[in-house]
Amino acid sequence: RKEVEQDPGPFNVPEGATVAFNCTYSNSASQSFFWYRQDCRKEPKLLMSVYSSGNEDGRFTAQLNRASQYISLLIRDSKLSDSATYLCVVKTMNTGFQKLVFGTGTRLLVSP
Amino acid sequence: SAVISQKPSRDICQRGTSLTIQCQVDSQVTMMFWYRQQPGQSLTLIATANQGSEATYESGFVIDKFPISRPNLTFSTLTVSNMSPEDSSIYLCSVERWTSGSLNEQFFGPGTRLTVL
Repeated sequence: RKEVEQDPGPFNVPEGATVAFNCTYSNSASQSFFWYRQDCRKEPKLLMSVYSSGNEDGRFTAQLNRASQYISLLIRDSKLSDSATYLCVVKTMNTGFQKLVFGTGTRLLVSP
Repeated sequence: SAVISQKPSRDICQRGTSLTIQCQVDSQVTMMFWYRQQPGQSLTLIATANQGSEATYESGFVIDKFPISRPNLTFSTLTVSNMSPEDSSIYLCSVERWTSGSLNEQFFGPGTRLTVL
């Protein structure tokens, strides 16, 4: 079983739609959680951190359920520029260092 | 944010040869990370490089295949040795840096796209 699992998509949605991505992780000792965005042929960039209390940044809302080991990202009022791959990322302790473990990503295509 | 540059940006190599990828950061950092992203896959950590000590490799990666240097706090190299087509991938350098509040954000270089024939 992969340590971080995501639906690879693609999710094809029209502009203005609301779309939700889910992610599960297997290591219950995981400490921090993130959503990264990766555009085609570009490096990943941090979109937002994910907290147990849930957090919102404009049109983006992230939720964490530690009991279910489940993370979500909600995008409201989708824009064409939201088209990208969204990576669920978990930080765990590894031989004295914290390391990031990446999901395979969920591809989003927003069409006019 | 951290400014990270990598050289080369891309290369096409023959099997059996080696390629050294350079990573330069705009300020001093304690740890640097090397990742691989194979076609259609997500990022996999190869190793963590601390300045002044041996790199720590993840399961499935060994020093003989991926030797790493970390001569100072702003620079690192990753060598892909004795390459085979299975090594065709994007190799990314990454660093952590404190940003707003208590967030320790990880930044990535633009990547080196390697094709092995």
